[in-house]
Amino acid sequence: EPEVTQTPSHQVTQMGQEVILRCVPISNHLYFYWYRQILGQKVEFLVSFYNNEISEKSEIFDDQFSVERPDGSNFTLKIRSTKLEDSAMYFCASSRDYRNEQFFGPGTRLTVL
Amino acid sequence: GQQVMQIPQYQHVQEGEDFTTYCNSSTTLSNIQWYKQRPGGHPVFLIQLVKSGEVKKQKRLTFQFGEAKKNSSLHITATQTTDVGTYFCAGTEYRQAGTALIFGKGTTLSVSS
Repeated sequence: EPEVTQTPSHQVTQMGQEVILRCVPISNHLYFYWYRQILGQKVEFLVSFYNNEISEKSEIFDDQFSVERPDGSNFTLKIRSTKLEDSAMYFCASSRDYRNEQFFGPGTRLTVL
Repeated sequence: GQQVMQIPQYQHVQEGEDFTTYCNSSTTLSNIQWYKQRPGGHPVFLIQLVKSGEVKKQKRLTFQFGEAKKNSSLHITATQTTDVGTYFCAGTEYRQAGTALIFGKGTTLSVSS
């Protein structure tokens, strides 16, 4: 069964450094998403992406964040200058259509020191 | 903005007892999705409800979507230890091409045998 994959599984970085989190969505899906989950808290929407542009973004997704689909398979989330409060699990998800169920990847745990 | 409330936050049951979690949205939803997250895992899609008053069953799990499309519930009959985890409801706001899934805080279920 096809699944969303994410790399790396764990990323440790120093405050102020840039990080890129990578995702490979399910191949016939058209909508891609990033969510984050701070330890013990709920899953929070960051951004959705369709047809090579941002479809929707939350207040969390400020100028420090950007997304890109650099080729036909990868979908990336870049955080330009990480802060301590960016430490969280970041989940990528994809769906066939915006009305369909979203399938989540295993997540990247980001630790900012 | 849209908020999704979920109660209870925690529930402990003896194996064989029933379990219910309730979800309420501050706005009308286009659809509601339910996810299960095991400790250390990622959200796994369970079901999507779209129609007003819809009821769906998956073996021991029964999902309902309210008539006003603002609330939902998940009921598990005769819980088993494999049901342990956090159950999240997540809704998409009723508007054109709404993509963001807004998650509730989840109900963490523990089951003792």
